[in-house]
Amino acid sequence: AQSVAQPEDQVNVAEGNPLTVKCTYSVSGNPYLFWYVQYPNRGLQFLLKYITGDNLVKGSYGFEAEFNKSQTSFHLKKPSALVSDSALYFCAVSRDRGGYQKVTFGTGTKLQVIP
Amino acid sequence: DGGITQSPKYLFRKEGQNVTLSCEQNLNHDAMYWYRQDPGQGLRLIYYSQIVNDFQKGDIAEGYSVSREKKESFPLTVTSAQKNPTAFYLCASRPPGSSGNTIYFGEGSWLTVV
Repeated sequence: AQSVAQPEDQVNVAEGNPLTVKCTYSVSGNPYLFWYVQYPNRGLQFLLKYITGDNLVKGSYGFEAEFNKSQTSFHLKKPSALVSDSALYFCAVSRDRGGYQKVTFGTGTKLQVIP
Repeated sequence: DGGITQSPKYLFRKEGQNVTLSCEQNLNHDAMYWYRQDPGQGLRLIYYSQIVNDFQKGDIAEGYSVSREKKESFPLTVTSAQKNPTAFYLCASRPPGSSGNTIYFGEGSWLTVV
């Protein structure tokens, strides 16, 4: 069985400071890892994903994430937080296999950027 | 614009009634999904379909039904058998080929049982 853990229900950061939203995963085989953002009463928007290659992945709105295989982590980062980054962030995992592979989502982390 | 359209955005249902949530996509994606979102529980998979006229149960299919008669459409019916249907429902789609392909989401539908 595969799983995703987002250990922090909420992360508070001051505007202009760097932010990190943590994600660890468990999956057999090679992982595919995703980050999504959700604004209130909206669907999920894709931010970035790791498939293979460079461990540092760059995505939308200045976000990036680092894949760490030994620590089974895929933390989301941004060098300078904006108030508009305040939202709910989801990490998700799938795996490198043929046919349909389930995507498992974490429970989400609420990011609050304080002006 | 290409995308996924869910309707209605807000729906109220009386206990004992069935309701159907609409999901239409013009992305030409083969795979479509329905998720349920409850606070603090992330997203849970209700049903998925990889191709027209075929669909599979997800993790929490009891009390729900779907159909996939057209590639573009994947409606979800919440039946009276679903004991706690009040939630935010998300439809999604994904292009075929790889589990690394990105899943795209609609804007969601709120269902409230009154």
